[in-house]
Amino acid sequence: AQSVAQPEDQVNVAEGNPLTVKCTYSVSGNPYLFWYVQYPNRGLQFLLKYITGDNLVKGSYGFEAEFNKSQTSFHLKKPSALVSDSALYFCAVSGAAGNKLTFGGGTRVLVKP
Amino acid sequence: DTAVSQTPKYLVTQMGNDKSIKCEQNLGHDTMYWYKQDSKKFLKIMFSYNNKELIINETVPNRFSPKSPDKAHLNLHINSLELGDSAVYFCASSQVKAGQNTEAFFGQGTRLTVV
Repeated sequence: AQSVAQPEDQVNVAEGNPLTVKCTYSVSGNPYLFWYVQYPNRGLQFLLKYITGDNLVKGSYGFEAEFNKSQTSFHLKKPSALVSDSALYFCAVSGAAGNKLTFGGGTRVLVKP
Repeated sequence: DTAVSQTPKYLVTQMGNDKSIKCEQNLGHDTMYWYKQDSKKFLKIMFSYNNKELIINETVPNRFSPKSPDKAHLNLHINSLELGDSAVYFCASSQVKAGQNTEAFFGQGTRLTVV
């Protein structure tokens, strides 16, 4: 079985400060890892993914994530947060054996001006 | 130009009724999904279809019946609606390329409220 843990229900950060949203995963075989963002009353928007290659992945809106195989982590980062980054962030994993996405419980990010 | 579109956006209905949610994708993807997001925002897969064939059914009550008339459409029919079915239902699609899973694209969601 595959699973994702997002240990923080909410992350508060001041605008301009670095933002980190944590994610750890469990999956058989090579992981396919994704980050999505959900704004209120909206669907999920894809931010970035790790399939293979460089451990540091760059995505939309200045976000990046680092794949760490030994720690089974895929933390999302942004060097300088904006108020408009306030949203719900989901980490997801898919195993090579199938194409089911398993999501973490989500982390609410609140960026204060 | 919407990549994954689902209708209706809002659905309010009484217990015991039967309702359908429609989903269409114009991305040419071969795989479509239904996800349920509960009141705590937790997302869980319900079904997955690949080229019109059911490949994932995640212990969903058989009151829920997906139907895929072609690979661009995946509809969800729900019989005998219960209060606990109230949630936001998301349709999504993706493409498997060279044995790898690409990112899924999601619709805007259908907020189902059973009263």
